[in-house]
Amino acid sequence: DQQVKQNSPSLSVQEGRISILNCDYTNSMFDYFLWYKKYPAEGPTFLISISSIKDKNEDGRFTVFLNKSAKHLSLHIVPSQPGDSAVYFCAASARSGGSNYKLTFGKGTLLTVNP
Amino acid sequence: GAVVSQHPSRVICKSGTSVKIECRSLDFQATTMFWYRQFPKQSLMLMATSNEGSKATYEQGVEKDKFLINHASLTLSTLTVTSAHPEDSSFYICSAREFSNTEAFFGQGTRLTVV
Repeated sequence: DQQVKQNSPSLSVQEGRISILNCDYTNSMFDYFLWYKKYPAEGPTFLISISSIKDKNEDGRFTVFLNKSAKHLSLHIVPSQPGDSAVYFCAASARSGGSNYKLTFGKGTLLTVNP
Repeated sequence: GAVVSQHPSRVICKSGTSVKIECRSLDFQATTMFWYRQFPKQSLMLMATSNEGSKATYEQGVEKDKFLINHASLTLSTLTVTSAHPEDSSFYICSAREFSNTEAFFGQGTRLTVV
């Protein structure tokens, strides 16, 4: 049973436009959410996170929105740049569950930004 | 962000041999390290969590006698794939965290091919 779902395996956008990557989760114990960016044959790089006490967190071109009632979060990238082309993973954890909180990852969405 | 170095980045080994993968935190002391495995077009699957000086905690379905994890120091954890078989071929990634409330940073990953 997949607790973190990224239903779009791929997304293609034009440079300068907005990229919206979506993520749904099922475990109501999750209280911390993260987005990672991954290039082929490399480890994931942390992008941005959000705690369940917030509904929005912004860092430069990246904004993450959290809708707890819908168990849904999204990552907005604006404006999108060709260098943003990568696989984006959504991850969630239950920080209140103990010090060894584990990350549960979605399957990722391949974003392609076309020049 | 903090630097986590994983070595080797690629390894090819013969079936039946053992392979050791190292994960080092270069500029912080990692009290906790995580080992993941990623199959093509799949999410990162947590294999085990290790705290420095303690035995690793393995996820359900992961054979601890096959995937030996050692976290003997605050900057080094190793994953040894024993008696490797072709089905063990995968991308293995480690992540390290300094404290329970800090982000985990990922290594570059190791592509293991068992022939």
